[in-house]
Formats: sequence, structure tokens, C-alpha cells
Amino acid sequence: NAGVMQNPRHLVRRRGQEARLRCSPMKGHSHVYWYRQLPEEGLKFMVYLQKENIIDESGMPKERFSAEFPKEGPSILRIQQVVRGDSAAYFCASSPDRGKSETQYFGPGTRLLVL
Amino acid sequence: EDQVTQSPEALRLQEGESSSLNCSYTVSGLRGLFWYRQDPGKGPEFLFTLYSAGEEKEKERLKATLTKKESFLHITAPKPEDSATYLCAVQALTQGGSEKLVFGKGTKLTVNP
Repeated sequence: NAGVMQNPRHLVRRRGQEARLRCSPMKGHSHVYWYRQLPEEGLKFMVYLQKENIIDESGMPKERFSAEFPKEGPSILRIQQVVRGDSAAYFCASSPDRGKSETQYFGPGTRLLVL
Repeated sequence: EDQVTQSPEALRLQEGESSSLNCSYTVSGLRGLFWYRQDPGKGPEFLFTLYSAGEEKEKERLKATLTKKESFLHITAPKPEDSATYLCAVQALTQGGSEKLVFGKGTKLTVNP
């Protein structure tokens, strides 16, 4: 049973370019979450999605960041016109349909470096 | 605002030296408290979920406990392979349907042979 998959694992972009991060949830999971981890900081929630719906985007920066989870294919976190401050590890997590409190299982992350 | 504070920030133990990590939290209503382990360059690995005060869960050398204000992760007779950063997170009861986790900054554990 494959875990959460993320690609690429490492991504280098120059300032002003776009970054696209992909996440495939675990089989049978319909909830996807994106978190960001800055150096020496804790994991910070960004956005929570279900298929074709954004449920909670309270942690997303207002500009340049967007996320989607289409009916078919992986979830995408898109960062437009990247700046050096976007350099961080971005983690995706998934959970199955709702129960008491469903555990979120994390992928290996994408490490974004903005030059 | 929901908050999680972990202490200590870093902990060095000798192999076999038992200790505890602390996670203090404030949350409007607790839906679940989670412990994860994170190795360098990897994603968080799930360890435990606790739902209510008084609950305890064990896995090998690890035991997690929960009170109304904090959780402890007890490590009994640790081995060098237990070296990692241990993360605590809470999930709040919400009407809006959000299931976001609020994380602490973690405790970096080093176990020397």
C-alpha cells in the first residue's frame, strides 16, 4: 500500500518563476492537506482540500499561492513569481473519509529552493 | 487561537536513560492530539492519536499520555535509533469542517550509544 507521494522531491527556481508541487494521496484517501516548514520553524497549515473543493485555505498567503485537487490526478500547490522567502519544505498529507478524528499521513515533502 | 508548546527544544540522553517530552496545548475544543516522529530530510511519521484526558497509548519504547492541558511522550530505555525530532499537534473541534493540525516546534532528541 503506497504512502503519500510527492514530486519533485527537490525543486530549484529563480526569483519570479513558477513552482508546481504535486501530491498523490494514499489509496482510498479523499482529503488532502498542505503544510509548510520553514527552517527552525514548526509545520504550518496552508490549505485543506477534498476532490474539486477547497475546504479551508486560512493558512494560504493571499497572493501568488493557489491549490487544487481535481477529480482526476494529483493535488497541485502552485506558487507564482516565487521569492526567496518561499524557500521551505512543503509537505502534503492525506486522510480517509471522516471518522472520529482521522489521522493525517504525510508524504516525504518537496524542498523548494529559490535562488 | 490554538497553540502548542513543546519542551524541551532539544534533549540529549544516553542509551537506556529514560525521559519524557512535554506538549502543552490550548485549544477551543480538542478533537485529537497527535504525536509524530520526523527524521532529517523526511516527512513526519505518525506515532499516536489521543482523544480524551486519561488516555494512554504505547508502541515499543514509547508511551503517550494525555491530560486536559498537556501530553507527555515517555521514552523508556531509548536506543540511538530513537534519535529524531518528535512533533506534537492538535486538531480542534470546529463547525466549519476544517481538520487542520496545529503543530508545536518539536523536541529534537539525540540518544548517544
